[in-house]
Amino acid sequence: NAGVTQTPKFQVLKTGQSMTLQCAQDMNHNSMYWYRQDPGMGLRLIYYSASEGTTDKGEVPNGYNVSRLNKREFSLRLESAAPSQTSVYFCASSEVSTGEILRGYTFGSGTRLTVV
Amino acid sequence: GEDVEQSLFLSVREGDSSVINCTYTDSSSTYLYWYKQEPGAGLQLLTYIFSNMDMKQDQRLTVLLNKKDKHLSLRIADTQTGDSAIYFCAEGRGSQGNLIFGKGTKLSVKP
Repeated sequence: NAGVTQTPKFQVLKTGQSMTLQCAQDMNHNSMYWYRQDPGMGLRLIYYSASEGTTDKGEVPNGYNVSRLNKREFSLRLESAAPSQTSVYFCASSEVSTGEILRGYTFGSGTRLTVV
Repeated sequence: GEDVEQSLFLSVREGDSSVINCTYTDSSSTYLYWYKQEPGAGLQLLTYIFSNMDMKQDQRLTVLLNKKDKHLSLRIADTQTGDSAIYFCAEGRGSQGNLIFGKGTKLSVKP
């Protein structure tokens, strides 16, 4: 099925461990995004990538790194996980033309991360 | 303010109409969006409206846009228990055209 695929769906980490969340899209979208969702906080943008080879910080980038491996894949890395990073992480992609998002974002189903 | 604002909760009875309201901040936003998130799932695009439109209807959904007041609403007619979800309003903003989301309105439908 076409769309955005995130792995893993669930993960439990110990404080200080590292991990990479994977995201891939098969819609040939040029822009990709990582959000976190926390109760009462809505969706907050961590990082985004407007095109292959470029990445930019969003609202809450501290503690994270990203890599736009190619047009399809955009990964999010936690180098040293902290309990404050317990959250649901969503990857999204969109087609952007002349600065306008066309037809909104397509979201993955999320990764539920718990840091203990 | 800087935020997209939505009320956090709405409760309706099955069969009634639901109206979810949103105020946004950027009058230059070209598109405004409504997303639906069911429990344990990602966000699905429900509908969107182009900023030069006042209204868009799609089956049971009606979107109203008041650009002067920067107010967007989503009306769900004949609300069903399957409509229970969190509904997010979003506007396109940012140098790369990022979407800015409201905190979401949790719609509860009582039988």
